[in-house]
Amino acid sequence: EPEVTQTPSHQVTQMGQEVILRCVPISNHLYFYWYRQILGQKVEFLVSFYNNEISEKSEIFDDQFSVERPDGSNFTLKIRSTKLEDSAMYFCASSVTGTGYGNTIYFGEGSWLTVV
Amino acid sequence: QKEVEQNSGPLSVPEGAIASLNCTYSDRGSQSFFWYRQYSGKSPELIMFIYSNGDKEDGRFTAQLNKASQYVSLLIRDSQPSDSATYLCALDTGNQFYFGTGTSLTVIP
Repeated sequence: EPEVTQTPSHQVTQMGQEVILRCVPISNHLYFYWYRQILGQKVEFLVSFYNNEISEKSEIFDDQFSVERPDGSNFTLKIRSTKLEDSAMYFCASSVTGTGYGNTIYFGEGSWLTVV
Repeated sequence: QKEVEQNSGPLSVPEGAIASLNCTYSDRGSQSFFWYRQYSGKSPELIMFIYSNGDKEDGRFTAQLNKASQYVSLLIRDSQPSDSATYLCALDTGNQFYFGTGTSLTVIP
């Protein structure tokens, strides 16, 4: 069964450093997402991406964050100048179409980011 | 803010019993509703979705939606220890998904 793959599975970084989290969405999916989950808290939407541009972003997704689809398969989340509060599990997700009746998003296994 | 409220639990049921998980939401414009299961340290895994009022069954799982009451539930029949996880309710407003904080379910053998 096709799946969303993410790398790295776990990364430890120093505060102030830049981090790039990578994702390979399911091949026939056109919409891509990043979510995060701080330990013990809810899954929070960060950004959605379609047709090589951001279609929606949350208030969490400030200038510190950026996304990119550098080639036909990868989708990346860059966090510039990481802060302690950026420590979380970051989930990449993808869907065939955009949100709407019954359209489903599928999650990758997550990248656990620890900022020290 | 598109609120999705869930009882955090923990909810404990004996093996073989029916587990009932509930979710309320505030945005009447929400179109579809999803139930995900999340094991500790793992990603959310889709169980099922519903977008029409009434019941929808899939194996041991039944989702129930009442848009007038802004309420969606998940019933798990013949609960198994492997069903022990956190169950996330999510809604799709047409622009993005919003998740609840999840209900922790423990099925006692």
